Amino acid sequence: TQLLEQSPQFLSIQEGENLTVYCNSSSVFSSLQWYRQEPGEGPVLLVTVVTGGEVKKLKRLTFQFGDARKDSSLHITAAQPGDTGLYLCAGVPDYKLSFGAGTTVTVRA
Amino acid sequence: DAGITQSPRYKITETGRQVTLMCHQTWSHSYMFWYRQDLGHGLRLIYYSAAADITDKGEVPDGYVVSRSKTENFPLTLESATRSQTSVYFCASSGGDLRGEQYFGPGTRLTVT
Repeated sequence: TQLLEQSPQFLSIQEGENLTVYCNSSSVFSSLQWYRQEPGEGPVLLVTVVTGGEVKKLKRLTFQFGDARKDSSLHITAAQPGDTGLYLCAGVPDYKLSFGAGTTVTVRA
Repeated sequence: DAGITQSPRYKITETGRQVTLMCHQTWSHSYMFWYRQDLGHGLRLIYYSAAADITDKGEVPDGYVVSRSKTENFPLTLESATRSQTSVYFCASSGGDLRGEQYFGPGTRLTVT
């Protein structure tokens, strides 16, 4: 059982559409990180959210940390083919980083 | 170039063989990690190291051995490879602590036949 559940597992959309990826847990996290992984490469950190209710924006990407610090979401506006990749959330429930299984996003041109 | 590198990038080995995956980082980060990535499981921590000569088990350590004699190197050894160890292995490092941002290498795709 994954400590962090990500949904959906796969997402395929047309260029220009919006999408949201979710990361949920029954545990409280002191912080949550979002990584993006492209094929054949390692994950790269996009953002860290630390405060309940926090919203962070990174160009067309909006990250939100739930008020109770148990969940997070990633929203991409006007998706582009360059957004294609595996999106991973990661959190620290105790003292080590724990990763979700990821959401594979494909943006079709 | 500075960063974190892994070698080999691809490896095919037979069941029962010993194989070592190498990881090297140039940032002098204290923490280093080994993960395996399998479809449906995400990244699972195998071992981590807080400093030279300090290592500890992660979530899935069975069948693996690590060492860290130098800060910049963190090799992972499969003592007797099994088919269930077929996976993509990622090394990562962190300059902070166990909860901080991790920098990942490009991965090693290992196939055990």
